[in-house]
Amino acid sequence: DGGITQSPKYLFRKEGQNVTLSCEQNLNHDAMYWYRQDPGQGLRLIYYSQIVNDFQKGDIAEGYSVSREKKESFPLTVTSAQKNPTAFYLCASRKTGGLEAFFGQGTRLTVV
Amino acid sequence: GDSVTQMEGPVTLSEEAFLTINCTYTATGYPSLFWYVQYPGEGLQLLLKATKADDKGSNKGFEATYRKETTSFHLEKGSVQVSDSAVYFCALAYDTNAGKSTFGDGTTLTVKP
Repeated sequence: DGGITQSPKYLFRKEGQNVTLSCEQNLNHDAMYWYRQDPGQGLRLIYYSQIVNDFQKGDIAEGYSVSREKKESFPLTVTSAQKNPTAFYLCASRKTGGLEAFFGQGTRLTVV
Repeated sequence: GDSVTQMEGPVTLSEEAFLTINCTYTATGYPSLFWYVQYPGEGLQLLLKATKADDKGSNKGFEATYRKETTSFHLEKGSVQVSDSAVYFCALAYDTNAGKSTFGDGTTLTVKP
């Protein structure tokens, strides 16, 4: 079945460490997005990519980095510069010509 | 800039009650409008959508009508079930903005038997 796979489902990070969240899709979608969700808040856009080897900052990109070397993959690195990284992270994709977002199951990151 | 405002939650209803979750938006262009649903510990799933004024989106008994004059897209269901308990997000998106979606803060619905 086509879809978006995020891994791991739960991730624990020590202070000062970088961690990378995986997002893979087999929907053949060109555009991919990373959102952060905090309790009681909507989704905030971190980074997005409309095509391979190109990506743009969203509203809250500080402390995060991404790459888009393959169409299927859009990993997010949470760096030590992100001061409050504990959150639920959602990856999404969108097919060209459509506006509906398709979401993965999310990764819950906790700083310990 | 664009924004989406949803009624504050949480909302608690008894089974078979009527549901309304209000959503209004501010947009610089002519967006498509969406309702997404999120079950505990999961990602969002599209519930319904409408692409132009006066369109009605519907799915699984839920409905919402795109009202340009009131910039609203309220979600309704005539008879809720326990299985409808979830967080509901209203959102807008357009082609001219790289397809980026703007989301409301979400409304938590709990349906009691």
